[in-house]
Amino acid sequence: SYELTQPPSVSVSPGQTARIACSADALSKQHAYWFQQKPGRAPVLVMSKDTERPSGIPERFSGSSSGPTVTLTISGVQAEDEADYYCQSTDSSGSYPVFGGGTKLTVL
Amino acid sequence: QVQLEESGPGLVRPSETLSLTCTISGGSISNYCWNWIRQPPGKALEWIGFVYYSGTTNYNPSLKSRVTISVDRSRNRFSLNLSSVSAADTAVYYCARGWEDSSGYAFDYWGQGTLVTVS
Repeated sequence: SYELTQPPSVSVSPGQTARIACSADALSKQHAYWFQQKPGRAPVLVMSKDTERPSGIPERFSGSSSGPTVTLTISGVQAEDEADYYCQSTDSSGSYPVFGGGTKLTVL
Repeated sequence: QVQLEESGPGLVRPSETLSLTCTISGGSISNYCWNWIRQPPGKALEWIGFVYYSGTTNYNPSLKSRVTISVDRSRNRFSLNLSSVSAADTAVYYCARGWEDSSGYAFDYWGQGTLVTVS
């Protein structure tokens, strides 16, 4: 089955920059989306089509894409950014949606 | 503002059928695909499938043999049936609005989720 690969965890201190990568061959031709999920809550879309920030999402969230890897960057991390982050895209044949395994962002 | 709300039993017996409904408010049911996504405790999100307003469906290949998703246009809602459940189907089940474009599928609005335990 098709997989999106994310690191299980990322840790940063407040005010630093966090980068969360998501990799899969088809990401060079499919868009990726990023979701933030806090404990007991539904996921919230924080990045659309690799680099588009939805309305209401702070400017410290940005996205980038390079070949088979997309990256969610959070600049000036705040304690409230501590959450699980999931990338989402489409399988290599464009047939169905898939999610990455998730990355737990810890703010030290 | 589009709002989605899941409803259905929180406990299902093994080998029986899990049935959930998602009610849509604040927006049109047309022009989007309506999705079910689940998350076992402590694990990642898993897409289950979707239905369009027209009734066209698409299912995760790993669940396809057990899943049926249908739409009730008159009541602005859609439903999930998952048959022959086991403990591995215990999860929080979310409904979500989605769309398809030239570069794939995406989701924006989600329900709050409902925990279904198989026991």
